[in-house]
Amino acid sequence: DVKVTQSSRYLVKRTGEKVFLECVQDMDHENMFWYRQDPGLGLRLIYFSYDVKMKEKGDIPEGYSVSREKKERFSLILESASTNQTSMYLCASSWEDSNQPQHFGDGTRLSIL
Amino acid sequence: SQKIEQNSEALNIQEGKTATLTCNYTNYSPAYLQWYRQDPGRGPVFLLLIRENEKEKRKERLKVTFDTTLKQSLFHITASQPADSATYLCAWYNFNKFYFGSGTKLNVKP
Repeated sequence: DVKVTQSSRYLVKRTGEKVFLECVQDMDHENMFWYRQDPGLGLRLIYFSYDVKMKEKGDIPEGYSVSREKKERFSLILESASTNQTSMYLCASSWEDSNQPQHFGDGTRLSIL
Repeated sequence: SQKIEQNSEALNIQEGKTATLTCNYTNYSPAYLQWYRQDPGRGPVFLLLIRENEKEKRKERLKVTFDTTLKQSLFHITASQPADSATYLCAWYNFNKFYFGSGTKLNVKP
């Protein structure tokens, strides 16, 4: 079974801090994704990567950056955390083909105080 | 812009009945749709994929239909059980991105 592991289930940070969210997948998937999920808004794509060192902006990249130095790891960085970035963050991975299902981690619930 | 919509109101049904969830899309026609299940505090889990040239897809008690004329996909759970209670999300792929609906919460009462 595919396993996507997110480093923290719950995280509390302060406004202005630099925050790192880590995601590791064990299936050698080419594609990796970061989403945030908010009530009534559903899943919104922040960034995705289709290869090592490659990244593409999603729908809401402002205030975020990403890093993919190794195939299995995809990091989301909040450069200067703000309270409106309080959310559930979900990482996913998939094979290269566009019709392949995404495999999700269990999320990181991030609170910015 | 492309949009995918699901009924935001929860669906409450009695155990044993068939649950039907709706996913509507606007503007672009997706080549295929995916359906996921999400339990509280967990990430979504893939259930089914249906292509635009497939009218219907089945997997055990699950059935998905795809009507390109109505721009709609229906997701059915037959003989529903309390364990089917969860939020169900539809998603479609276009221009190198996945777009998810906000999900419909299903409550199956014993």
